[in-house]
Formats: sequence, C-alpha cells, structure tokens
Amino acid sequence: DGGITQSPKYLFRKEGQNVTLSCEQNLNHDAMYWYRQDPGQGLRLIYYSQIVNDFQKGDIAEGYSVSREKKESFPLTVTSAQKNPTAFYLCASSRQSYGYTFGSGTRLTVV
Amino acid sequence: SQKIEQNSEALNIQEGKTATLTCNYTNYSPAYLQWYRQDPGRGPVFLLLIRENEKEKRKERLKVTFDTTLKQSLFHITASQPADSATYLCAPTDSWGKFQFGAGTQVVVTP
Repeated sequence: DGGITQSPKYLFRKEGQNVTLSCEQNLNHDAMYWYRQDPGQGLRLIYYSQIVNDFQKGDIAEGYSVSREKKESFPLTVTSAQKNPTAFYLCASSRQSYGYTFGSGTRLTVV
Repeated sequence: SQKIEQNSEALNIQEGKTATLTCNYTNYSPAYLQWYRQDPGRGPVFLLLIRENEKEKRKERLKVTFDTTLKQSLFHITASQPADSATYLCAPTDSWGKFQFGAGTQVVVTP
C-alpha cells in the first residue's frame, strides 16, 4: 500500500542534543513537507521540498534542518538551537497543491 | 496578516443530527478551500476541496459551502455518527497553492 511512514512514533531528546525524524514515502510524490503541531494551534510549516536536492524554509524553520537526497525521503533534524522542540511533528507529501497525504506523526519530548 | 478562525470550543452533537463548522478567514483571497479530518495522535486526512467559483460541494454525508463575500466556509456533517468524532481543519489556499491550516474544531458525536 502506498503511503508515508514516519519514525519513530515517540522520541525523547535531552537538552543540547540533535535528533533526526525520519519520513519516507512510496507515493512517487515530488513535493514533501514538514509541519509542527502544538496543542490548540494549527499546523505550522517548517520546511518543504518541491524536488530532489532542493528545499525551502517555511514559517518556522529556525532550529531545524532538512535534506532531500532521494525522492522518497525527507528527514528532519531538530537541532539544539530549537529552544522549544516539544511538539507533534507531521510529514506530508503531495503531487499537486492540495490534498496532502500525511504520515502518522512523531511526538518529540525534551527530557 | 493572514488569519484563519475556527471555533475553538468543541462541538457536542447527538447522533443523527447535523454538525455545522465554521471557517472564517481575513487578509486572504483563496482560490479554493480544503477541509481535513484529524484523529487524536494521527496526521490529517484530506476530505474535500471547494473552489471559489463553487457555492457548494458534497461528498457522501459531507457538505461544504464557500462564500467569498463573507470570507467564510461552512462544513456540514449530516446524519452524524460517533465515528465522525474528530477534529476538522480548514485550509484556505491561494492560486499558487500556498495555504495555512486553521487550528481546527473538535466534533464529539454522542449516541
């Protein structure tokens, strides 16, 4: 079945650590996205990529980094520069500018 | 700045009744508007899209209206069922495909 796989489902980070969230899709979609969701707030765009080896900052890119070396993969690194990383992170992909397909999310907690 | 407003209070409704959700937007000129459903701990799922030249769109028990004069979209769930309990997100989208999500409205359908 086609879809998006995010791993891990839960992730704990110590202060000062970098962590990487995985996102893989087998939908053959060109565009991929990372969103952050906090309680009571809408999804906020962190980074997006329209094509391999190219990506753009979203609305809240500070403290995050991404890479897009393969069409299927769009990992997100949460760096120690991100001051408030505890959140629910969602990866999405799309063939067109609507109707995104989302993964099941990674819940990151700073301990 | 662009702003999207969805009822922050949960909508509690009895099974079989019609649930009506509101999405208001300001400083936007969306070419279309998307609606998504999100279950707890899961990524959003795309439901349907309505274009600016469409007054109404239906999909099974779902109906969406789009009033560009009022800058508002209404989302109706008719003959609601407990399985419809979820958070519903709207996403006004411009002609370039750029959009933001509203914070969502939680619907609780009780038997």
